Amino acid sequence: NAGVTQTPKFQVLKTGQSMTLQCAQDMNHNSMYWYRQDPGMGLRLIYYSASEGTTDKGEVPNGYNVSRLNKREFSLRLESAAPSQTSVYFCASRDYLGGDTQYFGPGTRLTVL
Amino acid sequence: ELKVEQNPLFLSMQEGKNYTIYCNYSTTSDRLYWYRQDPGKSLESLFVLLSNGAVKQEGRLMASLDTKARLSTLHITAAVHDLSATYFCAVPPSNPGNQFYFGTGTSLTVIP
Repeated sequence: NAGVTQTPKFQVLKTGQSMTLQCAQDMNHNSMYWYRQDPGMGLRLIYYSASEGTTDKGEVPNGYNVSRLNKREFSLRLESAAPSQTSVYFCASRDYLGGDTQYFGPGTRLTVL
Repeated sequence: ELKVEQNPLFLSMQEGKNYTIYCNYSTTSDRLYWYRQDPGKSLESLFVLLSNGAVKQEGRLMASLDTKARLSTLHITAAVHDLSATYFCAVPPSNPGNQFYFGTGTSLTVIP
């Protein structure tokens, strides 16, 4: 039982490059989330998926797209990276029925030059 | 726009002392979450408060929720060095309850 896994752990991009952050959970949770964490700003929700087949914008969706590939996987894509997207990205899944706990992945540290 | 405010933002306390961290939020919600984050690490769930008046305790930490006042507290009793971390509260607005808004965090340092 690996919980929530994210790949890659670190990434450096040049402005304008694209990349996809991968997230998978093996806990059979319906809801999954993508957050970014910047110094002094806590976590901000980028996109979420309340259930397989649905995705919705969060607080800061501009510049990102997501895909809920199946119940396990939820990916985040940066089509044209910008320095303002330098951040630590966390994926999470939500155990709504079993106590309503969010489980977070280890994070991806992204630097855009 | 929903706001979640934590006070204080930074807290330095001596071992053995008690202190309270406050989390205020600006919209209707019937639940609140507390997380802990160690430097360079991910977030770990501490408490899930699911109703008005909910109180939960784990070791030296106790969390409570007053939905009418839109206030949650995280009380630290007899602090020890191992509690040094950043603590976040998070609130999902009641309608529809799927999004989470996080406070900016309280960085706690416990000094021996």
